[in-house]
Amino acid sequence: GAVVSQHPSWVICKSGTSVKIECRSLDFQATTMFWYRQFPKQSLMLMATSNEGSKATYEQGVEKDKFLINHASLTLSTLTVTSAHPEDSSFYICSARTRQGVGTDPRVTQYFGPGTRLTVL
Amino acid sequence: GEDVEQSLFLSVREGDSSVINCTYTDSSSTYLYWYKQEPGAGLQLLTYIFSNMDMKQDQRLTVLLNKKDKHLSLRIADTQTGDSAIYFCAERAGGTYKYIFGTGTRLKVLA
Repeated sequence: GAVVSQHPSWVICKSGTSVKIECRSLDFQATTMFWYRQFPKQSLMLMATSNEGSKATYEQGVEKDKFLINHASLTLSTLTVTSAHPEDSSFYICSARTRQGVGTDPRVTQYFGPGTRLTVL
Repeated sequence: GEDVEQSLFLSVREGDSSVINCTYTDSSSTYLYWYKQEPGAGLQLLTYIFSNMDMKQDQRLTVLLNKKDKHLSLRIADTQTGDSAIYFCAERAGGTYKYIFGTGTRLKVLA
């Protein structure tokens, strides 16, 4: 249980275009989803916290107008990278927070998706 | 602020034990986690420890926590080539569901 998927797994786009990444919780309802970015050979940096039905909370230094997050349902959150530039090329990982008691261990509160590799040419 | 540090690289021979270290700064952390990331892949949860525990063992994995020094370690016994990956520690900040990840340790297992 507690499986999180991301789509697409990789995407290549031209500079200036927008790219949407989906994060889905497949077998549980996620009250909160988190979006991380990982540059090559670096750690995961939290970008934003997304609560279902409300505006996302962005971490310091993350442009909310560039990284649009929509969490329209308890099983889906989307991250749209607008007007993408080569410096936005990165590995984007989402995670979903479970309600208490869901998943294999209720003390593990975030389940991670497999990631989406974005390359902007 | 929150800061989680790890050594960048570790190289061991197959069959030896590996010890990956992590230091953190948030004394209010409730849970600390270890994740494994293979090339081009997402995160795989290996194990976790609650902040009031000193040690946790799970098959080949042993986690040690020194809360006074804010030091966490992961020991992998009988390391195999399939253990080659990047290992991240993460702390769950007290009072939140946020995870703060360490810088990652790249483990290379030599045959």
